[in-house]
Amino acid sequence: NAGVTQTPKFRVLKTGQSMTLLCAQDMNHEYMYWYRQDPGMGLRLIHYSVGEGTTAKGEVPDGYNVSRLKKQNFLLGLESAAPSQTSVYFCASSYFRDEQFFGPGTRLTVL
Amino acid sequence: EDKVVQSPLSLVVHEGDTVTLNCSYEVTNFRSLLWYKQEKKAPTFLFMLTSSGIEKKSGRLSSILDKKELFSILNITATQTGDSAVYLCAGTNYGGSQGNLIFGKGTKLSVKP
Repeated sequence: NAGVTQTPKFRVLKTGQSMTLLCAQDMNHEYMYWYRQDPGMGLRLIHYSVGEGTTAKGEVPDGYNVSRLKKQNFLLGLESAAPSQTSVYFCASSYFRDEQFFGPGTRLTVL
Repeated sequence: EDKVVQSPLSLVVHEGDTVTLNCSYEVTNFRSLLWYKQEKKAPTFLFMLTSSGIEKKSGRLSSILDKKELFSILNITATQTGDSAVYLCAGTNYGGSQGNLIFGKGTKLSVKP
């Protein structure tokens, strides 16, 4: 089992460009999450999904969109990247509301 | 607003020392408290605590929850350089449909040889 995987691992964007981060899990988990981690801020929830076809906003959703068309995949989109979105992005999944398994992260830099 | 506060923010010890990391929480409809270890990449799960006073133990690491005083501690005995990491504490709740973790900012532990 691969667990939770994320692509890409690194990305550099220019302000205004768009991109999609892909998260995939092979554990048949219902819940999936996108977090961002910034120095001194800890992990903050962007969006989450409680099942295929559902999404909901977390603590810091502005500037991001998500989709969960398949149970195993959770996509995070940036339509018009801004320097404030420079961060490390983590995807996680869980069976219910308990232990979350994290992916390896995507380091995004917006110039 | 729900929050989780960890202390200290950073800690430097020598190999063999014992350390205690603190986590206090204010979480509406509290369900559980989780501890994670984060080295260079993804947080990895250590413990989940749901009941007061029951210690969870894994090797040199142990943790306990006090639901009356709203805190948890993580103990590491006989520390090793491999214990150097950021330790994250997170709370979960029963509220609504949300299953997210409410994270503290972490304690950065550095273990010197």
